[in-house]
Amino acid sequence: DAGVIQSPRHEVTEMGQEVTLRCKPISGHDYLFWYRQTMMRGLELLIYFNNNVPIDDSGMPEDRFSAKMPNASFSTLKIQPSEPRDSAVYFCAAGRGGPGTQYFGPGTRLTVL
Amino acid sequence: GIQVEQSPPDLILQEGANSTLRCNFSDSVNNLQWFHQNPWGQLINLFYIPSGTKQNGRLSATTVATERYSLLYISSSQTTDSGVYFCAGGGIQGAQKLVFGQGTRLTINP
Repeated sequence: DAGVIQSPRHEVTEMGQEVTLRCKPISGHDYLFWYRQTMMRGLELLIYFNNNVPIDDSGMPEDRFSAKMPNASFSTLKIQPSEPRDSAVYFCAAGRGGPGTQYFGPGTRLTVL
Repeated sequence: GIQVEQSPPDLILQEGANSTLRCNFSDSVNNLQWFHQNPWGQLINLFYIPSGTKQNGRLSATTVATERYSLLYISSSQTTDSGVYFCAGGGIQGAQKLVFGQGTRLTINP
């Protein structure tokens, strides 16, 4: 299996622009997680899905952030409008079954100027 | 919510040395994982270990759930072991929601 795939790997945009991050999870893994990593706040869970349904979005910082999972093979995290404080590395991770191993993608490094 | 504390924050060792990293959590966990973030930023899952002991080559981990801590042991360190080690816990309710510690930065010098 190819593992979790994220695109783009790097994104540089200007404040106010819309940003869309993409994730293809591991086939057969029914949990999908979006995390954000910053120097100040470390790694924090933003939202997670089970069988394409959002279960907990309490970590989503503001209404500017939204996430969707239209099918088992694809998820997006959108920021509109983006702000400089959104600059971070965004990770997507996949899990299977109940509490268990989470497998992380390579991350998207977002820079908002 | 659950809080995760890791120690030490930084560790510098010579190649061949052994090390022990510690993770304390503030409440009971139903999910406990150790990760290694390499210098290129990739997060690799080392262990899923809500209780008990596991070993994988030179690495082993022990979680004492009743005392709310976990230990990661690295033996015969190699320079490729350098990076940041994270512990992450999920509580009894919503165990999938991992809370990460701040990490231990390990540097192995040749």
